[in-house]
Amino acid sequence: EAGVVQSPRYKIIEKKQPVAFWCNPISGHNTLYWYLQNLGQGPELLIRYENEEAVDDSQLPKDRFSAERLKGVDSTLKIQPAELGDSAVYLCASSLRGIDEQFFGPGTRLTVL
Amino acid sequence: GNSVTQMEGPVTLSEEAFLTINCTYTATGYPSLFWYVQYPGEGLQLLLKATKADDKGSNKGFEATYRKETTSFHLEKGSVQVSDSAVYFCALPGSSNTGKLIFGQGTTLQVKP
Repeated sequence: EAGVVQSPRYKIIEKKQPVAFWCNPISGHNTLYWYLQNLGQGPELLIRYENEEAVDDSQLPKDRFSAERLKGVDSTLKIQPAELGDSAVYLCASSLRGIDEQFFGPGTRLTVL
Repeated sequence: GNSVTQMEGPVTLSEEAFLTINCTYTATGYPSLFWYVQYPGEGLQLLLKATKADDKGSNKGFEATYRKETTSFHLEKGSVQVSDSAVYFCALPGSSNTGKLIFGQGTTLQVKP
């Protein structure tokens, strides 16, 4: 069974540029999470989806970050415009339901110059 | 809200040494507790979990016991291997029990041959 797929694995951009990350969860998993992991820190939740509905986006900086999960499967996280402080690893995870084990993708490492 | 604190690293051990990584938590009630591991270049993987007080989670020679008296969930392994070199995260659900995970800052383990 394929795991959570994320792309790209690495992205380098200049500040003020837009960037997008893509996540394909494990087939059949209804719940999808985006986490932010700063260097030397544990992941922090940005947004959680139940199917196509964002049920917890309280930690998402909505002035520059947006996310969508069309059709309740793949998801895209976007930053526009990117700032230097956005350099981090963006992790996607999925679970069968919100209370089940979460399976993580390898992450996208973003570097903003 | 719920929170977790784990010992700072890095932890450097020789092969076959005994490992302890401390984790303490603050929580409402008795939530499930987790240890995740992140190998270099990979996403987080669930290592073990315990769902109630006095439970012992175990996997791959690692163990952790859910101790409500000391609000701790320390990770132990009797004999580490070079392949155990990774970052280890203690985690628990957020206060609302919606599936959001709260992670510690991570402890880097380096095992030398």
